[in-house]
Amino acid sequence: DGGITQSPKYLFRKEGQNVTLSCEQNLNHDAMYWYRQDPGQGLRLIYYSQIVNDFQKGDIAEGYSVSREKKESFPLTVTSAQKNPTAFYLCASSIETGVGQPQHFGDGTRLSIL
Amino acid sequence: AQRVTQPEKLLSVFKGAPVELKCNYSYSGSPELFWYVQYSRQRLQLLLRHISRESIKGFTADLNKGETSFHLKKPFAQEEDSAMYYCALSDGNQFYFGTGTSLTVIP
Repeated sequence: DGGITQSPKYLFRKEGQNVTLSCEQNLNHDAMYWYRQDPGQGLRLIYYSQIVNDFQKGDIAEGYSVSREKKESFPLTVTSAQKNPTAFYLCASSIETGVGQPQHFGDGTRLSIL
Repeated sequence: AQRVTQPEKLLSVFKGAPVELKCNYSYSGSPELFWYVQYSRQRLQLLLRHISRESIKGFTADLNKGETSFHLKKPFAQEEDSAMYYCALSDGNQFYFGTGTSLTVIP
């Protein structure tokens, strides 16, 4: 299918460990996003990046970190500082962040704490 | 601050009946509004956006700035419309999503 690929689909983490979620896109999009989805809360923005080597915090960035070294990749690290990391994580991209640009989503990664 | 509100978590309608999924927003500028849909075992995907003023799969949505609403409507619901629907607002940098409405169309 292509587009946006998130891996792995399921991820388990021990308390105190950092874990990195992968997001790759082959759409040549400039902008990429990470969301967290919890039951009954919709999607909440963690971080977004408008261009390579630049990223901005979203509404719930605490306990997370990102990097954008390549246009096609936007990995998310869930650090041990994140108190409640168990959730479903969605990555998205858009051509740019301008108004009117829709987002394309990956299949998501479900993170669970052991 | 809650920018997008979808008051109905669950909505059930019979096949062939009209359906309306409500979305209200709060934003001081000129927002861009979207509806996204997630069918069972599929990824979240764009359904329609207000700037296009188009009808997708029989769905339409009109931006009402006076009521700050962007309700999604379809005159005759089909079983294949059963899915999770999210209303979203873009301010040019970020997207703000509602909590979603799960639509079930009863055969």
